[in-house]
Amino acid sequence: KAGVTQTPRYLIKTRGQQVTLSCSPISGHRSVSWYQQTPGQGLQFLFEYFSETQRNKGNFPGRFSGRQFSNSRSEMNVSTLELGDSALYLCASSLLGSNEQFFGPGTRLTVL
Amino acid sequence: GQNIDQPTEMTATEGAIVQINCTYQTSGFNGLFWYQQHAGEAPTFLSYNVLDGLEEKGRFSSFLSRSKGYSYLLLKELQMKDSASYLCAVIGTGGFKTIFGAGTRLFVKA
Repeated sequence: KAGVTQTPRYLIKTRGQQVTLSCSPISGHRSVSWYQQTPGQGLQFLFEYFSETQRNKGNFPGRFSGRQFSNSRSEMNVSTLELGDSALYLCASSLLGSNEQFFGPGTRLTVL
Repeated sequence: GQNIDQPTEMTATEGAIVQINCTYQTSGFNGLFWYQQHAGEAPTFLSYNVLDGLEEKGRFSSFLSRSKGYSYLLLKELQMKDSASYLCAVIGTGGFKTIFGAGTRLFVKA
């Protein structure tokens, strides 16, 4: 069974640009969560989607948004990038009714 | 507020036992996870506790006390490959929102 996949793996952008990251969950997993990981901050929860609906949202500004498609694939978008948005963005999927999350390899975003 | 505390770094010797503590204050509790994350890689699941007590899985054990808001991860017979960050995560109420601690970096030396 294929794991969680994320594209792209690495990305370099400049301040003010916008970026879209993609996540394909494990087949059969309908819940997808996004996290931002920076050194010293740990994983910060961004949002969670289930059946194309956002179920939970973390404390991030409105520049961070996401969506989920009918095939459970998810995208997150960050507009007007800032230097502080440089981080590893992790996506995790889980089965309905299970609390165990399976993480993808992440997208490392660098904002210059 | 919601808070999870773990030591930032720990060092232990190959073959020894190490205990990584985690304390939490969250709005509601639906379970606690421990994840292992090697540098440059994604976190991988180690254990899940929802009831008080000890869960043992090979060289790894995890303990939970809900009344004290406390958990620990015990690693026995340490190996060099155990050098990694260990993340404590709590599932709060209101769905499946998971809150992570900043992680404990474990260095295993020969």
